Amino acid sequence: AQSVTQLDSQVPVFEEAPVELRCNYSSSVSVYLFWYVQYPNQGLQLLLKYLSGSTLVKGINGFEAEFNKSQTSFHLRKPSVHISDTAEYFCAVSDPPSGNTPLVFGKGTRLSVIA
Amino acid sequence: DTAVSQTPKYLVTQMGNDKSIKCEQNLGHDTMYWYKQDSKKFLKIMFSYNNKELIINETVPNRFSPKSPDKAHLNLHINSLELGDSAVYFCASSQRRSGETQYFGPGTRLLVL
Repeated sequence: AQSVTQLDSQVPVFEEAPVELRCNYSSSVSVYLFWYVQYPNQGLQLLLKYLSGSTLVKGINGFEAEFNKSQTSFHLRKPSVHISDTAEYFCAVSDPPSGNTPLVFGKGTRLSVIA
Repeated sequence: DTAVSQTPKYLVTQMGNDKSIKCEQNLGHDTMYWYKQDSKKFLKIMFSYNNKELIINETVPNRFSPKSPDKAHLNLHINSLELGDSAVYFCASSQRRSGETQYFGPGTRLLVL
């Protein structure tokens, strides 16, 4: 079964600084990879996803992630964070091509942006 | 317009009670899900329905019973609530095709006293 490891449970960072949130997944076979963001007291919202093609994926709000098959990683980056980026970030994986496979989430990384 | 809505948003109840959470999506999706998020923010799939048919049923106590009257609705009924059921329950929907984005509702915060 797939599993996802988010190595950092909390990441504090100063406003306008760059940030990287790390994600590693368990399987070396083809996978679909996702990053979701959860703002306080809200549901999850998709930031970006990797299905195939270019390994550098751009998402909303200036975020991007790079798929690295050899390292089974899908780290999320932003060059300059804002206070409004303070939220919980979840990495998730699913197995293609079955549409039945649910998302398997990591335990989340709490990003705190400090003014 | 809200894409995925859940009611109620908050639910406080006593142990042993039975309660239901409702979910509706207006995105025209054919697949709906229930996730549970515990106090440590860990999200885990509970159930998934495709066109009113149960397709995923993870290891969940049989006190939890999902019901899908049509493909736009997926309700969750919980019998004999226990303290450990306290969590945030999220409904989501997507098209069944692999890799499709799941859209999440705002969550129902359940507190069992």
